[in-house]
Formats: sequence, structure tokens, C-alpha cells
Amino acid sequence: EVQLVESGGGLVQPGGSLRLSCSVSEFTFSTYAINWVRLAPGKGLEWVSMLSTSGAVAYYADSVKGRFTLSRDSSRNTLYLQMNSLRAEDTAVYYCAKDFNRAFDVWGQGTVVTVSS
Amino acid sequence: SYELTQPPSVSVSPGQTATITCSGEKLGDKYASWYQQKPGQSPVLVIYQDTKRPSGIPERFSGSNSGNTATLTITGTQAMDEADYYCQAWDTSTAVFGGGTKLTVL
Repeated sequence: EVQLVESGGGLVQPGGSLRLSCSVSEFTFSTYAINWVRLAPGKGLEWVSMLSTSGAVAYYADSVKGRFTLSRDSSRNTLYLQMNSLRAEDTAVYYCAKDFNRAFDVWGQGTVVTVSS
Repeated sequence: SYELTQPPSVSVSPGQTATITCSGEKLGDKYASWYQQKPGQSPVLVIYQDTKRPSGIPERFSGSNSGNTATLTITGTQAMDEADYYCQAWDTSTAVFGGGTKLTVL
């Protein structure tokens, strides 16, 4: 069964950093792109970023560009989202989701990020 | 930047048909997807490529997309369908979600 499991969330002060992980099973990064999507309290879903199947190209929402960076370790089947210069508005549940025909067909359970002093 | 607009809320009686719209410039030229999200749960894909249902999604869920509007239709709505629904499309290499619609079944 295809699964994605997020980890690494927590409480961080404004301006701080956090690295989220997305561990995948039963498929490979070279077959499907992986996206990050977040849900802030009281808000709707917001797409954050995507790493291409080659791993060579990453795309980011304007709201995180220059602060967030995607990378992956194929040997560990794990995708990383490095989040720097965190702001209160980055507080959200962060999900990783598998791309399928330009839709997100499998989602992880989410990891909570809270940015607060 | 590209925007998708949904009504904040839709109400429907059990057994009736619920219609949720999603508007965006020339949305019909793109593929639209729809997600259902219940409180405390991860989103679930219910429609992709405008009209296709993933395995396991009931037939009462259907979709269409033309012009500037994509539509999610739930025929014979059940209490379990009460949830937030989001449309989504791609604008070049950026995914865009609508603001979400809270479906109330009463």
C-alpha cells in the first residue's frame, strides 16, 4: 500500500527553522512527484511546493519562496522540506501528497508546525 | 496570480443533490480536481481530470468543467458527505486551491 508519513513538526519561534520529513513507501520518487500542502487554522488548503520526479527542479508558492527548500534522499525514500525564517503565518498542518495525473491522490497524516514566541 | 473562487458554504437536505462550483479564468482549459476534507482528517481526492473518480469513491460524486467553471455534484447526498470541499488546478508549475466550501447536510 502506498503510504506517506510526515514528521518533524513542532513549536518554533519566529525567525527560526524547522525541517519536515516525508517518508514514502511502495513507490519511488522517480515515478511520482511529491508536493507539500498546508492547512492553516481557520484557513483553506494552500499548496506550498513540489519536487519533480528527477529531483532536479523544485517549485514553490510565492509565500515561501526564498525561505523554504526541498530536497530528497532516495536511498531513504524521504523528502525534506527545510523551512527557514519562519513566520506566525506559517503555522499550519503540513501534508505531503503524491502527484497523480496532476492531482494529489495519496496524502500523509500531516505534521503540525506552530510558529510562536 | 491565478485564483479559484468557491462559495463559502452550501447546504443540502439528505437525499438531495449538492452542487459546488469553482470559478477561475479559462478554468475549462485546465484540469480540475476536487478534495473532501473532514475535521481532523487528511484531504481525500474525489474527482480528478475534471470527471474521473478514484477507486473507492462512490458514484454519487461527479464532476464537470467548462468555460470558467468547474462543478462538483453529489447526487443523493448522505450525512457522511458533510465536509469541506476544495477545488484545485495547476497554473503552469504552481498548484492552486479554491478557498473551500463547507457542505452542510441538514
